[in-house]
Amino acid sequence: EVQLVQSGAEVKAPGESLKISCKGSGYSFIDYWIGWVRQMPGKGLEWMGIIYPGDSDTKYSPSFQGQVTISGDKSISTAYLQWSSLKASDTALYYCVRTLKYSSGYYKGFDYWGQGTLVTVSS
Amino acid sequence: DIQMTQSPSSLSASVGDRVTITCRASQSISNYLNWYQQKPGKAPKLLIYAASSLQSGVPPRFSGSGSGTDFTLTISSLQPEDFATYYCQQSYSTLPLTFGGGTKVEIK
Repeated sequence: EVQLVQSGAEVKAPGESLKISCKGSGYSFIDYWIGWVRQMPGKGLEWMGIIYPGDSDTKYSPSFQGQVTISGDKSISTAYLQWSSLKASDTALYYCVRTLKYSSGYYKGFDYWGQGTLVTVSS
Repeated sequence: DIQMTQSPSSLSASVGDRVTITCRASQSISNYLNWYQQKPGKAPKLLIYAASSLQSGVPPRFSGSGSGTDFTLTISSLQPEDFATYYCQQSYSTLPLTFGGGTKVEIK
């Protein structure tokens, strides 16, 4: 059974750093891209970026470039999303997702989602 | 960036109704359009990929159509478990892989 299991909820103060994780199982982790999606309270879905664990090729949405870092460790089938200095506006639910990239260069839909990690940034 | 515009933003319907949600891309995305369903407190679920392909396990009352810039998600006979928010997303190679703003389907 394919699963993406994310780390637990976090409560942090503004300015603190944070790294959340997403562990894949039930499939070949290096054959699929892992992305991150933000959902702010009561709002829609925003695509943040994506990583190919096979070679760590990473792409970011311009809205999130420089604001977060996406990384991965294929040896433990885990992808990460990290912040060096959190802001109150980073308060949101963060999902990791799985997708395939076709040989044509396009992406398939996100067929598996993690359960979400709630990040609360408050003083 | 490619902008995705969904309409309506919300709708009220009854069980058994036929429901149609539209999504428009700001430029052609061929058929690289996906639809998701999100219920309160749950992660989204992929319903349709490549505009019209039904994801495994999704009931056939859900269907998708369109290509280029205009797309449609249709629920042929709305069921109680279909009340949720629906999102379109383009997965064309031009990143970012943007989502539409969502359509909330509520009980009339």
